[in-house]
Amino acid sequence: QVQLVQSGAEVKKPGASVTVSCKTSGYKFTTYGINWVRQAPGQGLEWMGWVSAYNGDTSYALKFQDRVTMTTDATTAYMEVRNLRSDDTAVYYCARGGGIKLLSGDWTYWGQGTLVTVSS
Amino acid sequence: DIQMTQSPSSVSASVGDRVTITCRASQDIHTWLGWFQQKPGKAPKLLIYGATTLETGVPSRFSGSGSGTEFALTITSLQPEDFATYYCLHADSFPLTFGGGTKVEI
Repeated sequence: QVQLVQSGAEVKKPGASVTVSCKTSGYKFTTYGINWVRQAPGQGLEWMGWVSAYNGDTSYALKFQDRVTMTTDATTAYMEVRNLRSDDTAVYYCARGGGIKLLSGDWTYWGQGTLVTVSS
Repeated sequence: DIQMTQSPSSVSASVGDRVTITCRASQDIHTWLGWFQQKPGKAPKLLIYGATTLETGVPSRFSGSGSGTEFALTITSLQPEDFATYYCLHADSFPLTFGGGTKVEI
């Protein structure tokens, strides 16, 4: 069965970096990309970006373009967020998807979420 | 960027009620829209994609409609397990954007 398993919770100081991983199994990794979504406490969902597992192409939301890098290796996607601020405190999710043109099989599978807390 | 305006932000309803949530896109997104349900502490769950196609395993009391800029999610005969927060997502072009969410509460 398809699974996306994310790395564990992190506590970081302002200005630090964090890398969240999303290990996949149960499907051919290169068939789909990985979207990253975050949710601040009590807030809505925010799309951060997408990485192709086929060729590494990326697309980022404008507000994250300077601070976020999304990459993949054999079966795992990674998202690095640099220069963390207190308002980056959120649950970060990965979700399998092809990027644009939401099709059958896209967004069906999600990781369990990773809480990143930014505090001095 | 395409903005998604979702309304209402919250709705009070009872078991058995019919509930309709709407999303308006700031430009034509054809039918590249999905609807998600999220319960506290859980990852979102895809309900509908392509604006109208029910995801496998989702009860038929959920339905989606619309194209272009106006979309709706309707839940007929609300069940206890349907009390949750619902989000739309456009996937017409990068960057993708979610609507602000609608909390369906008792």
